[in-house]
Amino acid sequence: GEDVEQSLFLSVREGDSSVINCTYTDSSSTYLYWYKQEPGAGLQLLTYIFSNMDMKQDQRLTVLLNKKDKHLSLRIADTQTGDSAIYFCAEKDSSYKLIFGSGTRLLVRP
Amino acid sequence: DTGVSQNPRHKITKRGQNVTFRCDPISEHNRLYWYRQTLGQGPEFLTYFQNEAQLEKSRLLSDRFSAERPKGSFSTLEIQRTEQGDSAMYLCASSPGGERAEQYFGPGTRLTVT
Repeated sequence: GEDVEQSLFLSVREGDSSVINCTYTDSSSTYLYWYKQEPGAGLQLLTYIFSNMDMKQDQRLTVLLNKKDKHLSLRIADTQTGDSAIYFCAEKDSSYKLIFGSGTRLLVRP
Repeated sequence: DTGVSQNPRHKITKRGQNVTFRCDPISEHNRLYWYRQTLGQGPEFLTYFQNEAQLEKSRLLSDRFSAERPKGSFSTLEIQRTEQGDSAMYLCASSPGGERAEQYFGPGTRLTVT
């Protein structure tokens, strides 16, 4: 079945770059998404990438997609303390529902 | 505010009681989704609607759960005879039509069953 996996935790210093990684199993996924969740809040859509692209940049965010290895990454440049949150990778299946990973908790140290 | 809204934000109930949650999607979004999120996990799909039609239900959605979307606007999720295992955050999302169909989430309803 479909599965999305992420590492659990990442700690970086303020001003450094953060890279959050994700692997997925459904090779037919057409879109992949990154969401951010702050404590007690819903999910905020950060960015998405279409499966025929290998890179997408949006201000401080860069998404890289390696479709052969089914690997997705999110790079946050110049990470700030306000970026501390849980980041979820998700793939869209053929019926439009999203399959989420367990999330990566990003801690930004001052 | 034109985002997805959910009510109530928090609900504490005793085991065995019924609860109902409401979701108001972004207007003009024809798809509406319900997810459940437990501590330390990502959201898990429960069900989704295209307009008023409920098109898919997860195996997670037991007979005690029912969802409706009358007239294709707001949606309700009802849980009957709540159990402690139902304690979770219930998230609603909506999306426009089309293949890209990015989903926008509401703030969630946190349910605690005592």
